[in-house]
Amino acid sequence: QSALTQPASVSGSPGQSITISCTGTSSDVGGYNYVSWYQQHPGKAPKLMIYDVSKRPSGVSNRFSGSKSGNTASLTISGLQAEDEADYYCSSYTSSSTAVFGGGTQLTVL
Amino acid sequence: QLQLQESGPGLVKPSETLSLTCTVSGGSISSSSYYWGWIRQPPGKGLEWIGSIYYSGTTYYNPSLKSRVTISVDTSKNQFSLKLSSVTAADTAVYYCARAARITTVRGGPGWFDPWGQGTLVTVSS
Repeated sequence: QSALTQPASVSGSPGQSITISCTGTSSDVGGYNYVSWYQQHPGKAPKLMIYDVSKRPSGVSNRFSGSKSGNTASLTISGLQAEDEADYYCSSYTSSSTAVFGGGTQLTVL
Repeated sequence: QLQLQESGPGLVKPSETLSLTCTVSGGSISSSSYYWGWIRQPPGKGLEWIGSIYYSGTTYYNPSLKSRVTISVDTSKNQFSLKLSSVTAADTAVYYCARAARITTVRGGPGWFDPWGQGTLVTVSS
């Protein structure tokens, strides 16, 4: 299975909104509403931010939102804050009953 | 609150078998709603799903690692384990264990991962 495709890096200024894309195929992202997003700060374990495309776990800021169109899922962070600077990974369920991650996106808050 | 903790050797020799255990506390590994999984991250690189297991023993593996991976569960100890055989330097990574949502609407398999253990670095070197 091939990793999902994410941009290597994105950046934005405090207060702005940014969107990170995650492109797969009809066998993963496009075929199921089981896309999740993770935030990882340096030296820390990943943290679940979005699940089932657009649902937020309890405790996650409503500045984080998820969506999907066709084979591409997106994570949007609004009102960017310094603490949002981290690596972000998408993941999807696949038609082979497996999980696949994206390559990761480094978010820089300018 | 549910917590997961990885344990095992931090150094493994090439061609040998990497063995790790994840201990679950604050909840039962026998929950019908979840799988339990392993994910790894080579230094400076991205996440790679290794495999997941249900408390009954049903397993799902990454096709690229399937020939070398065995995941098992011990419900009496609330633990699950990973064995990766014939390791090389390319298997050097931080290994995480995590609870995975159980997908029930299709053919089964893992959904989202939460929570995660803190991770343990395993280095493959002679």
